[in-house]
Amino acid sequence: DAEITQSPRHKITETGRQVTLACHQTWNHNNMFWYRQDLGHGLRLIHYSYGVQDTNKGEVSDGYSVSRSNTEDLPLTLESAASSQTSVYFCASSEVRPGQRNTEAFFGQGTRLTVV
Amino acid sequence: GENVEQHPSTLSVQEGDSAVIKCTYSDSASNYFPWYKQELGKGPQLIIDIRSNVGEKKDQRIAVTLNKTAKHFSLHITETQPEDSAVYFCAAAKDSNYQLIWGAGTKLIIKP
Repeated sequence: DAEITQSPRHKITETGRQVTLACHQTWNHNNMFWYRQDLGHGLRLIHYSYGVQDTNKGEVSDGYSVSRSNTEDLPLTLESAASSQTSVYFCASSEVRPGQRNTEAFFGQGTRLTVV
Repeated sequence: GENVEQHPSTLSVQEGDSAVIKCTYSDSASNYFPWYKQELGKGPQLIIDIRSNVGEKKDQRIAVTLNKTAKHFSLHITETQPEDSAVYFCAAAKDSNYQLIWGAGTKLIIKP
C-alpha cells in the first residue's frame, strides 16, 4: 500500500545544531507540505513543494529549509536549532495538479523534536 | 490572508449524544472545507469535506454544513461513540493554491 513515512519519530538535539527530518511518500504525489503543530495553534505551514525542484515558504519558514530533488522526498532542515523549534512536525502530500480541485492530504505519523 | 477560527477548543459529550464543532473563515474566495480527525500519536486523517457549491454533506454519523454568506461551516457527529474521542481540525483552502489554512483544533471527549 502507498504511504507517507517520517523519520525519526522522536529526536532530541542541542541548541545550534543542524537537524534534518525525513519525509518519504510512495503515493507519487506532486504536492508535499511540512507543518508544525503546537498546542493552541493547530497546524502551521512551514514549507511546501508543488513538484521536483519547486519549494515555497509557508507562514513560519524562518530557520527552516527544504529541498525537492525527487518526487518521493521532502527533507526539512533546521539550520541552527532553537528551543522555539521544539514541536511536533508533520509531513503531508496530496495529488492535485494545476486546474484540478483540492482533494485529500495524507499525513505522516509525525516527528517529535525537542531542542535542549 | 485567510484566517480560520474554530470553537470550542474542548467539547465533552455523553456517549450517544450529538457533538457540534464550528468554524468561521475570513476569505470569501475559499471554496474547499475539509475536516480532519487526529488520534493520539497519529497524523490527521480526512473524515469529510465539502465544497462551496454544496450546503450540506453527510456520511453515516457525520455531516458538515456550510453557510457561504456567513462564512462558517460546522461538523456534526450524531450518536457519539468512544472511538470518536480525538482532536478535530477544520481547514479552508482555495483551489488556486492547494494550501490548507487550519483551525486551532477541538478536543472531543466522549463520556461513558
